[in-house]
Amino acid sequence: NAGVTQTPKFRVLKTGQSMTLLCAQDMNHEYMYWYRQDPGMGLRLIHYSVGEGTTAKGEVPDGYNVSRLKKQNFLLGLESAAPSQTSVYFCASSYRFGAGYNEQFFGPGTRLTVL
Amino acid sequence: TQLLEQSPQFLSIQEGENLTVYCNSSSVFSSLQWYRQEPGEGPVLLVTVVTGGEVKKLKRLTFQFGDARKDSSLHITAAQPGDTGLYLCAGAFINNAGNMLTFGGGTRLMVKP
Repeated sequence: NAGVTQTPKFRVLKTGQSMTLLCAQDMNHEYMYWYRQDPGMGLRLIHYSVGEGTTAKGEVPDGYNVSRLKKQNFLLGLESAAPSQTSVYFCASSYRFGAGYNEQFFGPGTRLTVL
Repeated sequence: TQLLEQSPQFLSIQEGENLTVYCNSSSVFSSLQWYRQEPGEGPVLLVTVVTGGEVKKLKRLTFQFGDARKDSSLHITAAQPGDTGLYLCAGAFINNAGNMLTFGGGTRLMVKP
């Protein structure tokens, strides 16, 4: 099992450009999440999904959109990148129920720089 | 908004020393987790504490959940260079829409040989 994978690993954008980050999980998890990590601020939730076809806003959703067309994939889009979106982005997934249901499994991250 | 304050932010110690990291909140959490993150990787769960006053041990790491379930601590005995990393606490609260976590700002630990 690959767990949670993210593509790309690194990306440099110019202000105003758009891009999509892809997250895939092979653990049949119901819930998926997108976070951004900035120095000294831990992880902040951008958007999350509780199932295929459903998404919801997290703590810092502005400037981002998401889609979950398939249970195993969760896409994060930046329509018009800004320097403030320079960060490391992490995708995570978790079970809905059962023992350890709120343990989140993280991908390796995508380092995004917006010039 | 539930907030978690972690302290200290940075800690640099010599191999063999003991240390404690604190995680405090004004909110009550249903459970609290500690994650460890190494450079270039995502966080990995170390432990989950659920009951107020609970203590869990993982080799040289001891985790405690406060009686009121608003705070937690991580104590490392005889730290080793392999303990170097970013330690994150995360409070879990259950809403109708997902198993949400609120993360602290992290403690970056460096253990020098």
